[in-house]
Amino acid sequence: NAGVTQTPKFQVLKTGQSMTLQCAQDMNHNSMYWYRQDPGMGLRLIYYSASEGTTDKGEVPNGYNVSRLNKREFSLRLESAAPSQTSVYFCASSDWTSAQTQYFGPGTRLLVL
Amino acid sequence: AQSVTQLDSQVPVFEEAPVELRCNYSSSVSVYLFWYVQYPNQGLQLLLKYLSGSTLVKGINGFEAEFNKSQTSFHLRKPSVHISDTAEYFCAVSDRGSNYKLTFGKGTLLTVNP
Repeated sequence: NAGVTQTPKFQVLKTGQSMTLQCAQDMNHNSMYWYRQDPGMGLRLIYYSASEGTTDKGEVPNGYNVSRLNKREFSLRLESAAPSQTSVYFCASSDWTSAQTQYFGPGTRLLVL
Repeated sequence: AQSVTQLDSQVPVFEEAPVELRCNYSSSVSVYLFWYVQYPNQGLQLLLKYLSGSTLVKGINGFEAEFNKSQTSFHLRKPSVHISDTAEYFCAVSDRGSNYKLTFGKGTLLTVNP
């Protein structure tokens, strides 16, 4: 039982490049989330998926897209990376069976030059 | 809309001293409250949560928090800290009206010195 896994762990991009961050959970949770963490800002919600087949914007969605591929997987795509997207990205999942507790992955550290 | 304020961005303490990390929230509906801990270069781990019932909640590693509805607070306490408690602590709130999305505070860095 790996919980929430994220790939890659670390990535360096040049401005304008694109990439997809992958997230998978093996807890059979319905809901999945993408956050970004910046110093002094806490975690801010980018997008979430309340259930398979649905996605909704969070607090800071601009410059990102998401895909809920199936119940297990929720990917985050940067179409044209900008230096302002340098951050640590966390994926999380939750469900009523976990009493709304969100379980977090280890994070992806992204540097955009 | 809900919001969370963590009143201290940094809290330095000596080992074996008591500590309180303060958290206030605002929400127009009933809430669930959480404290998460993040050790250096790691993801977030749940310390404790308040969903309903007793207002005093006990979590892992000897931490506890008290839900105070009238003061809209959920302060985290530990009677005696260890060096290993050095980490960043995040308070978070969610409610049914927001589809249980979490809103996080900006975090409090707890540094335990020998």
